[in-house]
Amino acid sequence: DAGITQSPRHKVTETGTPVTLRCHQTENHRYMYWYRQDPGHGLRLIHYSYGVKDTDKGEVSDGYSVSRSKTEDFLLTLESATSSQTSVYFCAITPGQGYEQYFGPGTRLTVT
Amino acid sequence: QKEVEQNSGPLSVPEGAIASLNCTYSDRGSQSFFWYRQYSGKSPELIMSIYSNGDKEDGRFTAQLNKASQYVSLLIRDSQPSDSATYLCAVNMGRDDKIIFGKGTRLHILP
Repeated sequence: DAGITQSPRHKVTETGTPVTLRCHQTENHRYMYWYRQDPGHGLRLIHYSYGVKDTDKGEVSDGYSVSRSKTEDFLLTLESATSSQTSVYFCAITPGQGYEQYFGPGTRLTVT
Repeated sequence: QKEVEQNSGPLSVPEGAIASLNCTYSDRGSQSFFWYRQYSGKSPELIMSIYSNGDKEDGRFTAQLNKASQYVSLLIRDSQPSDSATYLCAVNMGRDDKIIFGKGTRLHILP
């Protein structure tokens, strides 16, 4: 267990509503990542963070924002949820560049 | 475009046989290579990492890396039904903090 939790684990929301997913780690790792996983697309990086208040975009960042105000928490916000954002969202952490990533349990989000 | 390619499968292997999973990557400067196992409805779980050319063994698993051919593989010896899962190849292409994942190969071990 890499000491990563995600909340909520399941969520159903309506189109147009804002949604925030939380990733919490107890490892004090510097790097944190948000991915989405969809059939036929695999894992795709949304945003990542390389330190408190330091974030950058991944390949599918449109419609998402992130914040990291403390080392242990990395928040992913869907500003106005759309049906295309129905997916499974995974958080991951790593102690440093080039090292393996460890994944949280995932959040299954359904946008109706 | 940085890419990691895997055959989607399914790859069917009899119980007790060797399962061979393959992966190619596009960036010759790649430095770190990982294999993850993902059961249906679960998160990816790291099973092997490899950083230099050659073989690395861990129990029934062997990772093989050939940087000249831009190829990494995973061998599973004495395959068990519990090995049935999707296997993800992942590559850190050396220049930033990101890992690129392949889409995964579904492995089915036949009892």
